Amino acid sequence: AQSVSQHNHHVILSEAASLELGCNYSYGGTVNLFWYVQYPGQHLQLLLKYFSGDPLVKGIKGFEAEFIKSKFSFNLRKPSVQWSDTAEYFCAVNAGDTGFQKLVFGTGTRLLVSP
Amino acid sequence: EAGVTQFPSHSVIEKGQTVTLRCDPISGHDNLYWYRRVMGKEIKFLLHFVKESKQDESGMPNNRFLAERTGGTYSTLKVQPAELEDSGVYFCASSQKGRSLTDTQYFGPGTRLTVL
Repeated sequence: AQSVSQHNHHVILSEAASLELGCNYSYGGTVNLFWYVQYPGQHLQLLLKYFSGDPLVKGIKGFEAEFIKSKFSFNLRKPSVQWSDTAEYFCAVNAGDTGFQKLVFGTGTRLLVSP
Repeated sequence: EAGVTQFPSHSVIEKGQTVTLRCDPISGHDNLYWYRRVMGKEIKFLLHFVKESKQDESGMPNNRFLAERTGGTYSTLKVQPAELEDSGVYFCASSQKGRSLTDTQYFGPGTRLTVL
């Protein structure tokens, strides 16, 4: 079965520190990969997505992710975090093989950025 | 444009009772998804509607769960009878039309269900 692993459940950083959140997936087909974020009290929202082409994907709010096929990874990065990045981050892979989306999520990583 | 809405935001019921969750997708979105997150675990796919038809219900835990999408608009998810392990946050999401792997799913705020 398809699965997504997020290695860090909790991350605490100071403002201006660099961020890298790990995501590995297990899926044999063509992958479509996503990072979603849930800020406190808000809905899950899409940060970025990868379908094809350039493996380095840029998203909103200065986030980027790199798809490394050989490592089955799609790590999320941000060079300098802000207090407002405090949130829970979810990596997901589309496991649907019918042409429709069927997202499989990781367990999430809670990021706390201290001012 | 209004986002995905869900009602209620919280529900506390006793084991054996029935609860119905409602989701209103973004207007015009054909695809509607239900997900569930049990505390501390991953967000898990439950089922997917395309308009009023169930495209994929492979994630539904058992026959105590019944989802409907009348007229291809809002959807309800009924749990009857509820068990303790049904506690969690139920998310609804919608996306635009047809078969599209590139679509963005827009999520609602979730319904937190607690079964005592």
